[in-house]
Amino acid sequence: EVQLVESGGGLVQPGGSLRLSCAASGFTFSSYEMNWVRQAPGKGLEWVSHISTSGSNIYHADSVKGRFTISRDNAKNSLYLQMNSLRAEDTAVYYCATGGGYFEYWGQGTLVTVSS
Amino acid sequence: DIQMTQSPSTLSASVGDRVTITCRASQSISSWLAWYQQKPGKAPKLLIYKASSLESGVPSRFSGSGSGTEFTLTITSLQPDDFATYYCQQYNSYWTFGQGTKVEIK
Repeated sequence: EVQLVESGGGLVQPGGSLRLSCAASGFTFSSYEMNWVRQAPGKGLEWVSHISTSGSNIYHADSVKGRFTISRDNAKNSLYLQMNSLRAEDTAVYYCATGGGYFEYWGQGTLVTVSS
Repeated sequence: DIQMTQSPSTLSASVGDRVTITCRASQSISSWLAWYQQKPGKAPKLLIYKASSLESGVPSRFSGSGSGTEFTLTITSLQPDDFATYYCQQYNSYWTFGQGTKVEIK
């Protein structure tokens, strides 16, 4: 059974940093491109970041470019999102999801709250 | 950037109704479009990919159509489990979601 489990969310002050993790199991993680997608409270879905299978190709949404960094460790079946210079508008549930096109599998999400 | 616009934003319907949701892209995306269903507090669930391909395990009352810039998601005979929010997503150039369509009980 495919499982994606996010962790690392929490309350952080504006300007602070947080590192999210996504632990994958039940599939060959190294063969799947991966993404982070977020959803602000009561709002729609927003794609955040994408990473290729090897990590050689990385894309970030303009809203997070220069502040967030996606990475992966295929040996640990894990995906990461390093979030720096956090703003109130980054408050959201962050999901990891598989896929290079459509997103087939999703985790349950982890809540990030940016507030003083 | 490709923008995705869904209509309507909210749809009131009854069990057994036929429901159609429209998604328009700001430029042609060929058939690189997916549809997702999301229930409160849950992760999105993939329903349709490549505009009209039904994801494994998804009931056949869900169908997708369209190409280029205009797409539709149709639910024939709406069931109680189908009341949820639906999102389209383009993956022709990076990834963009529509704003969502909430299907509520009439």
